[in-house]
Amino acid sequence: DAKTTQPNSMESNEEEPVHLPCNHSTISGTDYIHWYRQLPSQGPEYVIHGLTSNVNNRMASLAIAEDRKSSTLILHRATLRDAAVYYCILQENTGNQFYFGTGTSLTVIP
Amino acid sequence: DAGITQSPRHKVTETGTPVTLRCHQTENHRYMYWYRQDPGHGLRLIHYSYGVKDTDKGEVSDGYSVSRSKTEDFLLTLESATSSQTSVYFCATGTGLNYGYTFGSGTRLTVV
Repeated sequence: DAKTTQPNSMESNEEEPVHLPCNHSTISGTDYIHWYRQLPSQGPEYVIHGLTSNVNNRMASLAIAEDRKSSTLILHRATLRDAAVYYCILQENTGNQFYFGTGTSLTVIP
Repeated sequence: DAGITQSPRHKVTETGTPVTLRCHQTENHRYMYWYRQDPGHGLRLIHYSYGVKDTDKGEVSDGYSVSRSKTEDFLLTLESATSSQTSVYFCATGTGLNYGYTFGSGTRLTVV
């Protein structure tokens, strides 16, 4: 199973951008990079995913390094509702499985 | 999420008893997954299904079995519950590689 490495925790001030890093040095050429977040007492929620190019949606942006060994989830203006655990996951092309790490706990400071 | 329903939401059971958790989807997604979440471990994959009657093991499958007799239902069974299976269980569904996955709200299981 492909592994990712994320900082255990990060803090951000409200209304400021947040950059959440993820290292995935063992990524293979066909693995997709997914980001999910989990609010307290809820199931994980899909945020964004990509393969090689940077991706944008209404929730966030995903910046993927040229060698694909790292990626960054960008929240453009953090709000208190963005306080959650953020998981960076590699979706392997074999078996359609994906594995979670322990994620980054984001605290947003008012 | 309205498209995925997990039942029951909470359950307390005794050691040694069988327990079945149900995941029901209205999304017509091909893939379904069962995860457990414990403090310090994040979410760990138990079993998954890639079609009706097609299932496979995840990283923590010991003590669990699954069945999928129709697209919309994926059942997780603990044949003889143990205290180490006290956890929060999440079901997820998806359509394939280039799409995100949808998670249910979870089932909190306590084995006493």
